[in-house]
Amino acid sequence: AQSVTQLGSHVSVSEGALVLLRCNYSSSVPPYLFWYVQYPNQGLQLLLKYTSAATLVKGINGFEAEFKKSETSFHLTKPSAHMSDAAEYFCAVSVAMPGANSKLTFGKGITLSVRP
Amino acid sequence: GAVVSQHPSRVICKSGTSVKIECRSLDFQATTMFWYRQFPKQSLMLMATSNEGSKATYEQGVEKDKFLINHASLTLSTLTVTSAHPEDSSFYICSARGGAKGMGYEQYFGPGTRLTVT
Repeated sequence: AQSVTQLGSHVSVSEGALVLLRCNYSSSVPPYLFWYVQYPNQGLQLLLKYTSAATLVKGINGFEAEFKKSETSFHLTKPSAHMSDAAEYFCAVSVAMPGANSKLTFGKGITLSVRP
Repeated sequence: GAVVSQHPSRVICKSGTSVKIECRSLDFQATTMFWYRQFPKQSLMLMATSNEGSKATYEQGVEKDKFLINHASLTLSTLTVTSAHPEDSSFYICSARGGAKGMGYEQYFGPGTRLTVT
């Protein structure tokens, strides 16, 4: 079984400030980890993914995340927030078994607000 | 590449009627499709997984007779909400995963369908 914990439901930062969204996972087998962004009334867009290659993963829109096995974490960061980053962010985990019906398990999501 | 569409984007129906939502993979063959439900300010809850040509596998607590899923081709899956009631109002999102080499494990998400039952 696998699970994702995203602590807190809302993060507010000033424009230009560091963005840090936390994600901790639990998995009995090596995981694949994902961060998705969702804008209002839209589907999910993949920001980045970890698939057992480099532990520091760079994604779109200046976001990156680091896989830390010892901490079972996959926190999302961006050095400088932009107003357009305001959205809902979901962390998700999947078992590393491509070809199987491996499911994505989502965290509850975090709303990011960016203040001018 | 890897675009998934959903139709309609919004639908309003009367209580007791049925509604069909389509999910299409536009530029790849989707061997597996997933249907999710999302309530306001909440996460995505997986409803069912379907493989082309096979019966869908429903998650615990999801009524398979109420949420009919058909995955008749490698590019199309449909979700039919039968005898809809106001509590079925929600945002329904599909995703698709291809079986071709290089596509592997990643799910590509559709834009979602907002269902309102009056």
